[in-house]
Amino acid sequence: QKEVEQNSGPLSVPEGAIASLNCTYSDRGSQSFFWYRQYSGKSPELIMSIYSNGDKEDGRFTAQLNKASQYVSLLIRDSQPSDSATYLCAVNARDSNYQLIWGAGTKLIIKP
Amino acid sequence: DAGITQSPRHKVTETGTPVTLRCHQTENHRYMYWYRQDPGHGLRLIHYSYGVKDTDKGEVSDGYSVSRSKTEDFLLTLESATSSQTSVYFCAGSGGNNEQFFGPGTRLTVL
Repeated sequence: QKEVEQNSGPLSVPEGAIASLNCTYSDRGSQSFFWYRQYSGKSPELIMSIYSNGDKEDGRFTAQLNKASQYVSLLIRDSQPSDSATYLCAVNARDSNYQLIWGAGTKLIIKP
Repeated sequence: DAGITQSPRHKVTETGTPVTLRCHQTENHRYMYWYRQDPGHGLRLIHYSYGVKDTDKGEVSDGYSVSRSKTEDFLLTLESATSSQTSVYFCAGSGGNNEQFFGPGTRLTVL
């Protein structure tokens, strides 16, 4: 069964520190990897997409992909209280006609 | 994404009644999806569409049907609502690169 695993948290990080969120996936054929942020009571919002091994940076966010080890991570530098949310990892399945496989999410709390 | 709207945003209904949720998009997304989100389960795919009049089942499709008569609109119907269908429903769209963009959601309560 294809799966995406995330630690449910909550992950508590002091303001200004680096938050590190991790995700592992089971389908070696996956090619597209996504991080979504979901505030309580709101819909998921795409914050990062990554398709190749290595790092991809966008402002305070860095996505890291290691296909050999089948994990993808999200680093948030200089964490702010406004970063407090649930972060969802999603991975495409090669044979699923544009469906995504979703992790259950990690709840991140940034403490002032 | 401001390009995807859902209606109604909140609905309370009674067991056994039919319910239709509407998703409207102005982004020309080819692919559209209906998810439900429940505590402890994350996002679960109900149905999806890969073009006008082309739809397929997701992992939790029992009790639900969908229709897509034009690119902009994707309807989700609960033929006879049950209490187990109380949930938050999200519509999403994608242009084919697997990036999905979500509507604001509909909170449905079945009494």
